[in-house]
Amino acid sequence: EAGVAQSPRYKIIEKRQSVAFWCNPISGHATLYWYQQILGQGPKLLIQFQNNGVVDDSQLPKDRFSAERLKGVDSTLKIQPAKLEDSAVYLCASSLDQLGVSSPLHFGNGTRLTVT
Amino acid sequence: ILNVEQSPQSLHVQEGDSTNFTCSFPSSNFYALHWYRWETAKSPEALFVMTLNGDEKKKGRISATLNTKEGYSYLYIKGSQPEDSATYLCAPSGGSNYKLTFGKGTLLTVNP
Repeated sequence: EAGVAQSPRYKIIEKRQSVAFWCNPISGHATLYWYQQILGQGPKLLIQFQNNGVVDDSQLPKDRFSAERLKGVDSTLKIQPAKLEDSAVYLCASSLDQLGVSSPLHFGNGTRLTVT
Repeated sequence: ILNVEQSPQSLHVQEGDSTNFTCSFPSSNFYALHWYRWETAKSPEALFVMTLNGDEKKKGRISATLNTKEGYSYLYIKGSQPEDSATYLCAPSGGSNYKLTFGKGTLLTVNP
C-alpha cells in the first residue's frame, strides 16, 4: 500500500509569513493527525480528524494555525503568521482505528519548517 | 496530557551489544502503549502496539514488555547493529480522550 504522502519536505520562511503543508493519508484510514515535533521534544498532537470532523484540537494555537480535511481524505495545515518558535518538523499520520489507540499510526516523512 | 518519561535520553553502544530503554507513564486509565522507531530523514515507523498488562511482543531482534499496573514498558534490542541507530519513541494512551502522548525519545547510536 502507498504510504502517507506529505509535502513539502523542507520550507524556510521569514517570521510573519504564511506557510501551508499538505498531507494525503493511506487510503481507507479514517483518522488523520498533525503533530509538531520541536527539536529535543516528543511529537505534540496539534489536531486529530476522524473522517472530516475534528476530534481534538485542544493544543492547536488557533490564533495562527488552521487545518482542514477535505472530503475526509487530504488535509492541509496552515500557519499565518509564522513565529520563530514554529520552527519544527510537522508530521502527518493516519490510522485505521477510529479512536487512534489500538492500531499503529502511519507517518509521512514530515515537513521541516525553519522560520527566520 | 500524560506525563511520559523515557530513559536514557541517549546512549551509545557497540555493534553486537544488547541494550534496553524504559518508558514510564501514569498507570491509571491506561488504554494502550505504542513504540516507534524514527531514523534520521525517514518517517517514524511503528514497532509495537501493546494493550494488556504483561504483554510481550517481539519483532526480529527487538522486543518489548508492558507493565500497566506500575506504569512502565521496556524495549530491548539484542545484538545491536548500526542500522538500529535511531530515536525510539514511546506513546501511551490514557485519560478521558484516548489521546496518545509521545515521550521525548531515546536516541540510540550503534557504533560499528
